[in-house]
Amino acid sequence: EAQVTQNPRYLITVTGKKLTVTCSQNMNHEYMSWYRQDPGLGLRQIYYSMNVEVTDKGDVPEGYKVSRKEKRNFPLILESPSPNQTSLYFCASSSFRESNYGYTFGSGTRLTVV
Amino acid sequence: GENVEQHPSTLSVQEGDSAVIKCTYSDSASNYFPWYKQELGKRPQLIIDIRSNVGEKKDQRIAVTLNKTAKHFSLHITETQPEDSAVYFCAALSWAAGNKLTFGGGTRVLVKP
Repeated sequence: EAQVTQNPRYLITVTGKKLTVTCSQNMNHEYMSWYRQDPGLGLRQIYYSMNVEVTDKGDVPEGYKVSRKEKRNFPLILESPSPNQTSLYFCASSSFRESNYGYTFGSGTRLTVV
Repeated sequence: GENVEQHPSTLSVQEGDSAVIKCTYSDSASNYFPWYKQELGKRPQLIIDIRSNVGEKKDQRIAVTLNKTAKHFSLHITETQPEDSAVYFCAALSWAAGNKLTFGGGTRVLVKP
């Protein structure tokens, strides 16, 4: 089944404790992206990657890091989480080659930083 | 960069009536316009999309229209049902901007039985 898999689904952590949210897709998509979703603010892009070893900042990159060492994986790293990073996070992927540019989203990770 | 505005932010309709959500975008280079439905606690799911070379597209009870000149597009849901209750997001994508998808703020639709 074609899918984007995020882990964990839920995470409660303390301020300053480094964490990684994993994202993996099995569709051979070139493009992957991270979004955060906050009430009243919709979905905002954090980082994106157009292919292996190619990453770039989205609209709200502060406090986040990403890497794209393999085509299928695109982890989101919070080196020193803060309470304002409490949010619902979605990973998404898409292809430049398919007949549509639709994004496939992961199930989401609800992060709480206390 | 692209800016997408979506209205209304909430919409309450009676079951069987139609619902219309409108979006405007700012970047004339945007060429792909999807609509996503998000149920509570779940991921956004693509329900319909339209490309810039098409003015209208329909899929059963949902349809999308695009006016490139005015830079606006709309989602139309006919014969609404309680299961249509969700948050709907419009989005715009520009190939020239690196395939970035910019979302509108969302519309919470409530269909009252």
